Amino acid sequence: GQQLNQSPQSMFIQEGEDVSMNCTSSSIFNTWLWYKQDPGEGPVLLIALYKAGELTSNGRLTAQFGITRKDSFLNISASIPSDVGIYFCAGQEGGTSYGKLTFGQGTILTVHP
Amino acid sequence: GAVVSQHPSRVICKSGTSVKIECRSLDFQATTMFWYRQFPKKSLMLMATSNEGSKATYEQGVEKDKFLINHASLTLSTLTVTSAHPEDSSFYICSATAPGGGNQPQHFGDGTRLSIL
Repeated sequence: GQQLNQSPQSMFIQEGEDVSMNCTSSSIFNTWLWYKQDPGEGPVLLIALYKAGELTSNGRLTAQFGITRKDSFLNISASIPSDVGIYFCAGQEGGTSYGKLTFGQGTILTVHP
Repeated sequence: GAVVSQHPSRVICKSGTSVKIECRSLDFQATTMFWYRQFPKKSLMLMATSNEGSKATYEQGVEKDKFLINHASLTLSTLTVTSAHPEDSSFYICSATAPGGGNQPQHFGDGTRLSIL
């Protein structure tokens, strides 16, 4: 099925560093979502973006909905060890596919203390 | 709010048996739930959309008779893997859309690790 292009695929950083990851798509989405998944668990919603150009923060996390509605980025500032996990972007469709999500490939984040 | 519970969290069974996985929305009603399959270190693949009171909508390539979905109430959807075989071993995750209109985000259960021997 259709996938978003998420990059980078993996990141190895030192504690305290900032992190940036992004997603691009050939399709327009009504909503962009960012999730974090820990091993053996389901994804947890971090940030939801509803309007083109929207910039939203959640603690040390900041995400933006691209103006073209075909891309989004997620920044994590001052990373800590518990930020380790897999981060997924997801685009949510509207219309007849109401609510259906398309996921990026994921970014595996490793934080060294 | 918007808590989704999935049960069981892990199941190991013999080849040929059928396995039922439950997905419940604990503090909201969900007319639509989604079932995903995930392989190690891979993204989530949508299997089907579960609609309360009607037939599920399956994604291309997903066998309807293999993966039976029932959404009998506004808080419960079940996925039954029939006559499971080792290739069905995977991490299965459900999600539900919170009420409120518009494009509400999906909230996920904690997944079920299915291992077929």
